[in-house]
Amino acid sequence: DAKTTQPNSMESNEEEPVHLPCNHSTISGTDYIHWYRQLPSQGPEYVIHGLTSNVNNRMASLAIAEDRKSSTLILHRATLRDAAVYYCILREGNSGYSTLTFGKGTMLLVSP
Amino acid sequence: KAGVTQTPRYLIKTRGQQVTLSCSPISGHRSVSWYQQTPGQGLQFLFEYFSETQRNKGNFPGRFSGRQFSNSRSEMNVSTLELGDSALYLCASSFNNEKLFFGSGTQLSVL
Repeated sequence: DAKTTQPNSMESNEEEPVHLPCNHSTISGTDYIHWYRQLPSQGPEYVIHGLTSNVNNRMASLAIAEDRKSSTLILHRATLRDAAVYYCILREGNSGYSTLTFGKGTMLLVSP
Repeated sequence: KAGVTQTPRYLIKTRGQQVTLSCSPISGHRSVSWYQQTPGQGLQFLFEYFSETQRNKGNFPGRFSGRQFSNSRSEMNVSTLELGDSALYLCASSFNNEKLFFGSGTQLSVL
């Protein structure tokens, strides 16, 4: 699986937007970009995924660079409940497997 | 719709024993996968089952095994437990391989 690089940690204030970067310079044409997050004492939770175009859902937005070598997860207004480890994961689109290869992720700290 | 259910939530075993963990996927999900999470190694894929067949396997020793039943419920077994097997074991289910839904995990402590 192609690798991703994320900052170890980031800090934000409550109600401010948060931009979580992810670099994936070796991404292949069929790799989807997935984001999961893990809140304390819970299993990972799906956030969003995309292939080429920017994506929005009720939780977040995903901005994908034109060359697809990087992407940014955007939380529009951070809350204390958004404090978690965020994982950027590349998944082969045609693998047929439900397998995720997790990296270290970014620990997001949110202050009131 | 009920989420992924894992039992037990906590487990304490001693070295050399074996342990069985259980996972009930979301209704209608036929894929179940297992992950091990430790502070040092992070989240690592163990294996995945689909329609009672193992279709993908991670890099773990043969002491780690699993199975899936006809109702999609899954169990994983670890034999001859070692101290290093202490970890959070997570189960995830999926309907179409697109999104995975995780349970809260079983925290295993090996003494």
